[in-house]
Amino acid sequence: AQSVTQLDSQVPVFEEAPVELRCNYSSSVSVYLFWYVQYPNQGLQLLLKYLSGSTLVKGINGFEAEFNKSQTSFHLRKPSVHISDTAEYFCAVNLVFSGNTPLVFGKGTRLSVIA
Amino acid sequence: DAGVTQSPTHLIKTRGQQVTLRCSPKSGHDTVSWYQQALGQGPQFIFQYYEEEERQRGNFPDRFSGHQFPNYSSELNVNALLLGDSALYLCASSLFTGQGSYGYTFGSGTRLTVV
Repeated sequence: AQSVTQLDSQVPVFEEAPVELRCNYSSSVSVYLFWYVQYPNQGLQLLLKYLSGSTLVKGINGFEAEFNKSQTSFHLRKPSVHISDTAEYFCAVNLVFSGNTPLVFGKGTRLSVIA
Repeated sequence: DAGVTQSPTHLIKTRGQQVTLRCSPKSGHDTVSWYQQALGQGPQFIFQYYEEEERQRGNFPDRFSGHQFPNYSSELNVNALLLGDSALYLCASSLFTGQGSYGYTFGSGTRLTVV
């Protein structure tokens, strides 16, 4: 079975500074990879996804992530954060070639942007 | 194009009662998955419905049951509510494929509080 580990439960960062949110996964088969954002009292919004091809994936709101197969990682980065980026971020995986297998989520990283 | 719609948005129930949550999938989607997100945790998969049948199930007791209607909408039922069932319940819709599902769209969730 696949699993996702988000290495940091909380990440405080000053406004306009860069940030990296770390995600490692475990799976014996190929996976699709996702990052979702959850603002307070809201559902999940897709930031970006890796399905195949280029390992550097660009998403919404200036975020990007890099898939590293050898390190089984999919870290999320943003070069300059804004106050509005304060939210919970979830990394998730989904098996390839297995029908509609469910998403498996990490426990989340709370990003707090400080003015 | 309407996204995923969930109702109600908030609900308070007493221990031992039963509850029904509803979900209308995004237009063009035929598969509905339900997730439970406890406070401070990532979403946990409950079950998935496709063609009005439960296709996959996570590690949840039989108190959790569901239904999918011909118009693809879905209900989640929870019987004999426990305090530990208090959580945000998320519905995600997708289009069934044979190659993994990379197009999940989430609703804003139903916040269930059991007292």
